Amino acid sequence: AQRVTQPEKLLSVFKGAPVELKCNYSYSGSPELFWYVQYSRQRLQLLLRHISRESIKGFTADLNKGETSFHLKKPFAQEEDSAMYYCALSGRGYQKVTFGTGTKLQVIP
Amino acid sequence: DAGVIQSPRHEVTEMGQEVTLRCKPISGHNSLFWYRQTMMRGLELLIYFNNNVPIDDSGMPEDRFSAKMPNASFSTLKIQPSEPRDSAVYFCASSQTGLNTEAFFGQGTRLTVV
Repeated sequence: AQRVTQPEKLLSVFKGAPVELKCNYSYSGSPELFWYVQYSRQRLQLLLRHISRESIKGFTADLNKGETSFHLKKPFAQEEDSAMYYCALSGRGYQKVTFGTGTKLQVIP
Repeated sequence: DAGVIQSPRHEVTEMGQEVTLRCKPISGHNSLFWYRQTMMRGLELLIYFNNNVPIDDSGMPEDRFSAKMPNASFSTLKIQPSEPRDSAVYFCASSQTGLNTEAFFGQGTRLTVV
């Protein structure tokens, strides 16, 4: 079974402070991990994926297989980062995409 | 491509009525997902189709919920009879089999059952 855990429902940080959104997963195999973002009144959209090793809007996420984690980080939060963030997992060759329960990031001006 | 298209955007219905939500996936995508989003539970996978065949419906809450995909370009999620606790935003998403299996989401249907 595949499972994604996001322990924080809400994370409030001040503008300019570092951000870390936690994500842990459970999967017996080689997973593909993603972070999706949902801005107010917009559809969910892909933020980044572990396979690309990219930085999007200043966010990065490293897959730690030993800790089965894929935490999302940004060194300096901006007000426009306020949104709902979902961690997601897909098994290679099996297309079911499982999402965590989401973390609402609130950046305080 | 206009992306994943869902209709209606908003639906208000009375308890006991039948509700049908519609989804048109991105052309060429062979996987389709129905999700339900609530404050309490976040984003829950209800059912997943691959090549129009239901692969995993373990997330469907109960028999009142049913989903169909008669062809590659159309899917429905039906609730009959609807109940107030079904009130949520329902998302449809599609993806293409292969590496980097990004799911593309529709704008969702906000369902309110009164």
